[in-house]
Amino acid sequence: GAGVSQSPSNKVTEKGKDVELRCDPISGHTALYWYRQRLGQGLEFLIYFQGNSAPDKSGLPSDRFSAERTGESVSTLTIQRTQQEDSAVYLCASRTGQGRTGELFFGEGSRLTVL
Amino acid sequence: DAKTTQPTSMDCAEGRAANLPCNHSTISGNEYVYWYRQIHSQGPQYIIHGLKNNETNEMASLIITEDRKSSTLILPHATLRDTAVYYCIVRGDNYGQNFVFGPGTRLSVLP
Repeated sequence: GAGVSQSPSNKVTEKGKDVELRCDPISGHTALYWYRQRLGQGLEFLIYFQGNSAPDKSGLPSDRFSAERTGESVSTLTIQRTQQEDSAVYLCASRTGQGRTGELFFGEGSRLTVL
Repeated sequence: DAKTTQPTSMDCAEGRAANLPCNHSTISGNEYVYWYRQIHSQGPQYIIHGLKNNETNEMASLIITEDRKSSTLILPHATLRDTAVYYCIVRGDNYGQNFVFGPGTRLSVLP
């Protein structure tokens, strides 16, 4: 597709359930980022994938959060045993690896509500 | 932590220039200044970036001071659709560096 695609766009789940959020980056983009944005707050970095390098997981808030990326394609963010404080919009972004200053392209986000 | 400081909010009259300041006093030589904006309920959108020279594109102009410790994003003729949160980000050119977003400036363009 032309842009970064995220699914689902909205997810409502019960506390304690696991959720998976998916991101399809722009084709050819080697770098992929996940951010979290709580209501009325700024963007919180979660994890960053760059090509075949080990991901930068420094932003993951707890071991309930994990993410995978297959090659330079789809990424999945998994939240286990969801808590109410996990309610937020989860944003994915990708950028080209060609040149060091490529801009980030964001998806529209997945809005997670934990009841 | 974000390496930039921005005012929390600003107002601008429709049709006038919006000048959004950003301080980045600890910027280092290989770090670029990026600007993004986020319109309500959408993902952030890239606006412009620069290293030390002033930059202009179809959306905005970026003015970076000679010492590079601050910059200003200029929207030359603000419209109501420019109402958004504007983020100023400093990032090095290393592939491994991520983009750290601070709280940004909430710009309200008023009719």
